[in-house]
Amino acid sequence: GDSVTQMEGPVTLSEEAFLTINCTYTATGYPSLFWYVQYPGEGLQLLLKATKADDKGSNKGFEATYRKETTSFHLEKGSVQVSDSAVYFCALSVSTGNQFYFGTGTSLTVIP
Amino acid sequence: DSGVTQTPKHLITATGQRVTLRCSPRSGDLSVYWYQQSLDQGLQFLIQYYNGEERAKGNILERFSAQQFPDLHSELNLSSLELGDSALYFCASSVSLDRGLGNTIYFGEGSWLTVV
Repeated sequence: GDSVTQMEGPVTLSEEAFLTINCTYTATGYPSLFWYVQYPGEGLQLLLKATKADDKGSNKGFEATYRKETTSFHLEKGSVQVSDSAVYFCALSVSTGNQFYFGTGTSLTVIP
Repeated sequence: DSGVTQTPKHLITATGQRVTLRCSPRSGDLSVYWYQQSLDQGLQFLIQYYNGEERAKGNILERFSAQQFPDLHSELNLSSLELGDSALYFCASSVSLDRGLGNTIYFGEGSWLTVV
């Protein structure tokens, strides 16, 4: 069935370090791919998305490229800030029924 | 603010009791989703409704039920509560089922349920 596997956490980085959070997926058909972020005490917010192969989603300095050949959608940021500390969820949706499947989440802590 | 409203924000109740969590979707959204987030199991999909009808069911226990009303708000009913039901329950909404690729879902801030 459709599913998402993302990198286990927690991840701790120093400010200005490079971030990669890996995400791979399994899906029938052509899913859309998403990254959501959950800040402490809040709900999940959409960070970025991509709807077809080779699309790059970007927002707030974060980027992810939809790679069909490797079934991946890795999240990257060149220089993290303390304010980026949060839990990041990779997700996919299948167009039929718009069902969403989330990964287990990766906790990121950025230290000054 | 996502536009999805959940009440109550916090709830403490005893084992064996029943609670109802309420969700108002974003204006214009027809589809509502319920998720459970716990420390040991991550974000679990429970159930999805579209325009009043059940659309998809995930890992929802038989003790739990949900419905979506004509005004599109939704309620999640949790009964015979156990300690393990303590979790953060999220509601999310989206515009439609097949609006095209990349149809985003928007989350509320969640309802914290503590069973003691």
